[in-house]
Amino acid sequence: NAGVTQTPKFQVLKTGQSMTLQCAQDMNHEYMSWYRQDPGMGLRLIHYSVGAGITDQGEVPNGYNVSRSTTEDFPLRLLSAAPSQTSVYFCASSYSPKYEQFFGPGTRLTVL
Amino acid sequence: GESVGLHLPTLSVQEGDNSIINCAYSNSASDYFIWYKQESGKGPQFIIDIRSNMDKRQGQRVTVLLNKTVKHLSLQIAATQPGDSAVYFCAENSGGGADGLTFGKGTHLIIQP
Repeated sequence: NAGVTQTPKFQVLKTGQSMTLQCAQDMNHEYMSWYRQDPGMGLRLIHYSVGAGITDQGEVPNGYNVSRSTTEDFPLRLLSAAPSQTSVYFCASSYSPKYEQFFGPGTRLTVL
Repeated sequence: GESVGLHLPTLSVQEGDNSIINCAYSNSASDYFIWYKQESGKGPQFIIDIRSNMDKRQGQRVTVLLNKTVKHLSLQIAATQPGDSAVYFCAENSGGGADGLTFGKGTHLIIQP
């Protein structure tokens, strides 16, 4: 199993550009989530999904959209990037919110 | 323990000693707790978890203690090794809906030779 994979590993955007961060898992997990991590901070929940077709907002959802068309994939979209979105983004998956969440390697995003 | 701001609390221990990392959690309704280890440039890696119906849980070289009365969680690492150097995060799930984990700000564990 590859576990949780994320692409790209690094990305630089200009303010106002859009992009999609990809996340995929091959563990047949129903629960998937996106977090951001800023320097010296813990992770903060952006959006989560309890299964295909179902998504909901976390602690810091503004400026981000998600969709879940399949169990395997959970992309995160930035519609109009802002410097405040410069961060490291982690995707995670698990059987449920109250079980071990497996994290991907992260995407380091810089918005100029 | 946890703190606000950009500077992580740091715990420095001698190789071979035991390490204790503390965490104060915020929500008395939380019923699931988990410790993650994060090495530089990598994603968080699961260490151990505990549910609110337990006070203690042991893994390989690690023990998690939960004190619900004072909302305190600790991670004990026995016989600390150089490979244990990392940032350690505690996280809680508050139980109500399907929300994910709420993370603390982390503790940087440094192993002295």
